[in-house]
Amino acid sequence: EIVLTQSPAFQSVTPKEKVTITCRASQSIGNTLHWYQQKPDQSPKLLIKYASQSFSGVPSRFSGSGSGTDFTLTINSLEAEDAATYYCHQSSSLPYTFGQGTKLEI
Amino acid sequence: QVQLQESGPGLVKPSETLSLTCTVSGGSISTGSYYWTWIRQPAGKGLEWIGRISTSGNTNYNPSLKSRVTISIDTSENQFSLKLSSVTAADSALYYCARASAVCFDYWGQGALVTVSS
Repeated sequence: EIVLTQSPAFQSVTPKEKVTITCRASQSIGNTLHWYQQKPDQSPKLLIKYASQSFSGVPSRFSGSGSGTDFTLTINSLEAEDAATYYCHQSSSLPYTFGQGTKLEI
Repeated sequence: QVQLQESGPGLVKPSETLSLTCTVSGGSISTGSYYWTWIRQPAGKGLEWIGRISTSGNTNYNPSLKSRVTISIDTSENQFSLKLSSVTAADSALYYCARASAVCFDYWGQGALVTVSS
């Protein structure tokens, strides 16, 4: 199975800061990498699909990039409501897998 | 707006079978090329894909659970279900149902907490 490794695992950030989270795949997955946001006591929400396509209704400060094995989620001008755990997910091959998560503390 | 809601027992005894149902509202479960999916999250941990079922009934399961998992669909009730047999404490988790649009999960249920304990 494809292993996704996220970094950092935890980051303390301040409002208006620019944040970058990385996700590395154990083998090339093209652009079949998606990002989710999970706030405390909530289910995950899709942010970015196919590495760089924003999902409907997602604020423009969230963006994604990358292909192959290295991917990045960027949050520009962080807001307090962005405190959450962020997960990457690959759909290149079954079983689908997730990264271990990156927790942002604001 | 599609909504998903998990239901089922919150407490299951070791060695027994965990059973959960996901009810879909706001749209027909049999419309479109979607996969209806189960994902779980142990307390304080990350997400694990359990398996999926298509509207035509084709299934795929995580090999780590394959021998114990069954996912089924009932289009007349707009529901799909998860059965996980021979459970242990390691199966205690928050279980989510989700819709997979193409290959990513665009709608999720709120989750059902299942504890395995005698």
